[in-house]
Amino acid sequence: DSGVTQTPKHLITATGQRVTLRCSPRSGDLSVYWYQQSLDQGLQFLIQYYNGEERAKGNILERFSAQQFPDLHSELNLSSLELGDSALYFCASTGGGLTGDTQYFGPGTRLTVL
Amino acid sequence: GEDVEQSLFLSVREGDSSVINCTYTDSSSTYLYWYKQEPGAGLQLLTYIFSNMDMKQDQRLTVLLNKKDKHLSLRIADTQTGDSAIYFCAEAWTGKLIFGQGTELSVKP
Repeated sequence: DSGVTQTPKHLITATGQRVTLRCSPRSGDLSVYWYQQSLDQGLQFLIQYYNGEERAKGNILERFSAQQFPDLHSELNLSSLELGDSALYFCASTGGGLTGDTQYFGPGTRLTVL
Repeated sequence: GEDVEQSLFLSVREGDSSVINCTYTDSSSTYLYWYKQEPGAGLQLLTYIFSNMDMKQDQRLTVLLNKKDKHLSLRIADTQTGDSAIYFCAEAWTGKLIFGQGTELSVKP
């Protein structure tokens, strides 16, 4: 158990809908990262937050957004969902959010878009 | 741009050693990681190596780093059926992790 929690575990929805994925980092960690794992793209970095502020952005679509709240939990919002958004979404957390800080991953949320 | 490459499959017999290889492109990477993913599960950190090291050993796991060739390997000694999983190498780059495609390790009894 990494100490990072993600809810829900599974999510099934229809195209065009909007969903919110939630992540709670390890106790004391200030930085949260979101990754998408799909069959065709592999594991891709989406976005990083540190202490409530966006720090780095990867291949995140404009239909996707994220935020980190004062209690340090983070939410990833996916809107206008398409079939291709079906994937496993992971969050990870680190203490300082610096390059080289070890990232501990949550169990993931499996999103299925029908 | 940054890229990490791994072979996709490896099959070994129980009790043998497994060697999973990885190449990366960013010579400024300071940390390189190995993660394990079992079916339906998240990513479990196995080990990591700092770029000024050549080798790191942790129980049955040995990581070798050839910085000149940008080659990283993970050796699992006395491989067990419970080691069957997908293994990802990753390089840390500007705070994020760049992952390889993953190597599926199959351990036959």
